Amino acid sequence: EVQLLEAGGGLVQPGGSLRLSCAASGFTFNNYAMSWVRQAPGKGLEWVSSIPGHARYTYYADSVRGRFTISRDNSKNTLSLQMSGLRAEDTAIYYCAKNRISAPDYLDYWGQGTLVTVSS
Amino acid sequence: EIVMTQSPVTLSVSPGETATLSCRASQSVYSNLAWYQQRPGQPPRLLIYGASTRATGLPARFSGSGSGTEFTLTISSLQSEDFAVYYCQQYTNWPQTFGQGTKLEI
Repeated sequence: EVQLLEAGGGLVQPGGSLRLSCAASGFTFNNYAMSWVRQAPGKGLEWVSSIPGHARYTYYADSVRGRFTISRDNSKNTLSLQMSGLRAEDTAIYYCAKNRISAPDYLDYWGQGTLVTVSS
Repeated sequence: EIVMTQSPVTLSVSPGETATLSCRASQSVYSNLAWYQQRPGQPPRLLIYGASTRATGLPARFSGSGSGTEFTLTISSLQSEDFAVYYCQQYTNWPQTFGQGTKLEI
């Protein structure tokens, strides 16, 4: 059974940093691209970033490029999102999602999400 | 960026009826179109990929159609658990983009 468990959310001040992690299990992690998708309170889904299984490339939404860094540790089956220069508009539930295979691709499994609140 | 536009924003239907949700892309996404369902307090769940292929275990009363720029999700014999928000997503080009969602309500 595929499981994705996010952690690391919380309250952070504007301009601050936060690191999210996603522990994956139930599949061969390094064979699949992974993504982060966020959802602001009461709003729709916004793709944030993706990384292929080999991690040679990374992809970002314009809204986070230069502030967020996606990475993965295939030896630990872990996906991460380092967020810096946080803004109020980054407040959202952040979901870790498994790509079907590559990137871009559809997302066949999602975690429960972790809430990031940017506020003073 | 490919803009995905869903209609209607809200769709009111009754249990047992059929719901038809639309998704339009600002340029062709071929068949690289997925549909997701999100119930309150839950993460999204994949329903359809490749515009018309049902995800594993999805009942046959869910069906997807279309290609290019026009897509439809049809849900027949609506059940109480189907009342949720539905999103389409294109995965042809970066950035992969979602529609704004259609809320299916009673």
